[in-house]
Amino acid sequence: AQTVTQSQPEMSVQEAETVTLSCTYDTSESDYYLFWYKQPPSRQMILVIRQEAYKQQNATENRFSVNFQKAAKSFSLKISDSQLGDAAMYFCAPQMGSARQLTFGSGTQLTVLP
Amino acid sequence: GAVVSQHPSWVICKSGTSVKIECRSLDFQATTMFWYRQFPKQSLMLMATSNEGSKATYEQGVEKDKFLINHASLTLSTLTVTSAHPEDSSFYICSARGEAYEQYFGPGTRLTVT
Repeated sequence: AQTVTQSQPEMSVQEAETVTLSCTYDTSESDYYLFWYKQPPSRQMILVIRQEAYKQQNATENRFSVNFQKAAKSFSLKISDSQLGDAAMYFCAPQMGSARQLTFGSGTQLTVLP
Repeated sequence: GAVVSQHPSWVICKSGTSVKIECRSLDFQATTMFWYRQFPKQSLMLMATSNEGSKATYEQGVEKDKFLINHASLTLSTLTVTSAHPEDSSFYICSARGEAYEQYFGPGTRLTVT
């Protein structure tokens, strides 16, 4: 069974600063995708960034970037120039299995301080 | 693009009755949809994988006779909670898988069983 660990239940960052959210996972598969989703108070799940495991280059999406270490099974999310609108619950979600289902971590609640 | 809707957004029902939740992909076809359950301040737990034209695959511990899933078309999957009880009260979220294995989420349905 795949397991996903987000070891930081809560994080806070000052507006305009940078914060990194950690995620580790366990899998025996070699070909998979990894995602970060955010869930604001509205509870709508929003895709932040995706990474293909076969790609060595770390994905970047504007202020969001990942540090993907395949051998270490680590997939951290870095948010640069944090904005108030970034405040949300962030979930790491590797996508594995025959049906390509997502396995969600327990989440990190991010607070952005003005 | 890639919009997923859910209906209703909020429903209250009496114990012992059944309630149906609809999940629609509005601008793309989805052969695979997923149903999740989320309790307050917790992560998303996959309940079942819904495949168009075939029986759903349920996760371990999910009662398939209680949570009936039908995926009758490429744009519609339904979840019916039968003989609902207060412990079934939760936030139910569906997602539809796109061509690049990304999952697009509906806004969720809050179910309260009295």
